[in-house]
Amino acid sequence: QKEVEQDPGPLSVPEGAIVSLNCTYSNSAFQYFMWYRQYSRKGPELLMYTYSSGNKEDGRFTAQVDKSSKYISLFIRDSQPSDSATYLCAMSMSGTASKLTFGTGTRLQVTL
Amino acid sequence: GAVVSQHPSRVICKSGTSVKIECRSLDFQATTMFWYRQFPKQSLMLMATSNEGSKATYEQGVEKDKFLINHASLTLSTLTVTSAHPEDSSFYICSARSRESGTDTQYFGPGTRLTVL
Repeated sequence: QKEVEQDPGPLSVPEGAIVSLNCTYSNSAFQYFMWYRQYSRKGPELLMYTYSSGNKEDGRFTAQVDKSSKYISLFIRDSQPSDSATYLCAMSMSGTASKLTFGTGTRLQVTL
Repeated sequence: GAVVSQHPSRVICKSGTSVKIECRSLDFQATTMFWYRQFPKQSLMLMATSNEGSKATYEQGVEKDKFLINHASLTLSTLTVTSAHPEDSSFYICSARSRESGTDTQYFGPGTRLTVL
């Protein structure tokens, strides 16, 4: 069993839709939960991170962590074509600068 | 700010040869750099952690004699794939740890696509 599971997609939505991206994990020692966005031929870029359980909002993006279910989500409101990218969840035991365990990434396409 | 570059972006080599990939932090100093590998349809997997001036720490299952890592300065780390074989064909990506401007996070390079014939 992989430590982090993520549906690879692709996920195609119309512009303006709400997008829900999810990951599950098995290691209860993970404390930091991150979402990265990766455009083609670029490195992953940190979107947001959450420490332990709870919600965090940044503009159109909301990250949720449910440690009891070992389930994390990223919601994108009012999706735009520029949001089209691969979204990777990542987790660590000790911060965003430490060893990260990634999901496979979900490819998102926002269409006009 | 916080830009990490990799060179080359793509490389094709013959089986048995060695390939060197460079990772540079362009506008910050990085005492720690990480090397990841990604096979098709799989997740980024950490290969090793390198600290400036000391030996790299390799993850379980990664051969340190095959994947040589050198972190000789605060802005440069290199990964050398020695005696490369087709099964080493993969996407190699580095990240560099930044503790500047009140942050402590890692920034990723754009990756290097290695194809071994």
